[in-house]
Amino acid sequence: GAVVSQHPSWVICKSGTSVKIECRSLDFQATTMFWYRQFPKQSLMLMATSNEGSKATYEQGVEKDKFLINHASLTLSTLTVTSAHPEDSSFYICSASSGSTNEKLFFGSGTQLSVL
Amino acid sequence: GQQVMQIPQYQHVQEGEDFTTYCNSSTTLSNIQWYKQRPGGHPVFLIQLVKSGEVKKQKRLTFQFGEAKKNSSLHITATQTTDVGTYFCAGIIHGSSNTGKLIFGQGTTLQVKP
Repeated sequence: GAVVSQHPSWVICKSGTSVKIECRSLDFQATTMFWYRQFPKQSLMLMATSNEGSKATYEQGVEKDKFLINHASLTLSTLTVTSAHPEDSSFYICSASSGSTNEKLFFGSGTQLSVL
Repeated sequence: GQQVMQIPQYQHVQEGEDFTTYCNSSTTLSNIQWYKQRPGGHPVFLIQLVKSGEVKKQKRLTFQFGEAKKNSSLHITATQTTDVGTYFCAGIIHGSSNTGKLIFGQGTTLQVKP
């Protein structure tokens, strides 16, 4: 099946620093990528929808200036957590779709962010 | 807002017992997908149901999509320890123009005692 690579797998950073997470579709062109946040033992909360070459669409309550998303190519989307604080500590996971209707999602392996 | 509700939240079974998780939407869905997330892992696609009343089987797993396309279920027959994980349903709202934007249920975490 299709592969989505997410990097890094985990990151520990100091409060106030910015962290960039990359999501790559390795063997298909991802017209659309999605970024989720997952707290322990909870469901996936959609943060934003990223479309190649256009601005991301953020879900209600998600700060776009806090979580910067760039989808510069059909195989790469990045999420930058700016000026991270301890409350931003979470498991961030991306998924990709080729854009067809009723298309299943392929998930990256996730990034565990810990902000000290 | 649009929600997909999933029950139960947790289920502990003895190995060999059956298991069922249920998913209900407040609005009609175009399709419903099921994912499995192992502890410490990421969600992995299991199956997609599109047609009203559709039933699909994967070995010991049976997936159903309701006639009204508002509910779905996943049934596992004779659970094994390898079935441990969290099962999520996820649906696309009918008429949604945002391709692939899935609304996830809260997930059901299955524990299997050997």
